[in-house]
Amino acid sequence: EPEVTQTPSHQVTQMGQEVILRCVPISNHLYFYWYRQILGQKVEFLVSFYNNEISEKSEIFDDQFSVERPDGSNFTLKIRSTKLEDSAMYFCASRAGLAGNEQFFGPGTRLTVL
Amino acid sequence: DAKTTQPPSMDCAEGRAANLPCNHSTISGNEYVYWYRQIHSQGPQYIIHGLKNNETNEMASLIITEDRKSSTLILPHATLRDTAVYYCIVRGRAGGGADGLTFGKGTHLIIQP
Repeated sequence: EPEVTQTPSHQVTQMGQEVILRCVPISNHLYFYWYRQILGQKVEFLVSFYNNEISEKSEIFDDQFSVERPDGSNFTLKIRSTKLEDSAMYFCASRAGLAGNEQFFGPGTRLTVL
Repeated sequence: DAKTTQPPSMDCAEGRAANLPCNHSTISGNEYVYWYRQIHSQGPQYIIHGLKNNETNEMASLIITEDRKSSTLILPHATLRDTAVYYCIVRGRAGGGADGLTFGKGTHLIIQP
């Protein structure tokens, strides 16, 4: 069964460093998403991406964040200058399109900012 | 998106049906009810969704009241692997990508052996 994959599973970085989290959505899906979950808290929507542009973003998704689909298969989330409060699980998700309404989530990347 | 209310936790015996309630009294006519679950620190997993008719798939059944103000997710024969946080989310039909899901605190379902 096709699934969303994410790498790395765990990323440790120093405050102020840039990190790139990678996702491979399900092939032929058209809509892509990033969510985060701070330990013990709710899953929070960050951004959705369709047709090579951002279609929706939350207040959390400020100028420190960016997304890209560089090669037609990968979908990346970049955090330019990490802060301690960026420590969280980051989940990527994809959706097929209008015919498929459900979002399929990856296993997540645990980001630890020291 | 309409707000949802779920009990914070529930217990169910293994092999029994788990019935998880959700209130969504402000749901509008074009909004769907979605259920996802999250097994400890894994990515959320889609379970089922519906508009007004009852729905069933290989994982669960969804019963939506006639006035659509509440719904119940039914896991017919709960197993230990069904222990998870279950989220009820109300959302309009997806379109154009502007469909980020809003997760609440959900119901922590614990299946007891």
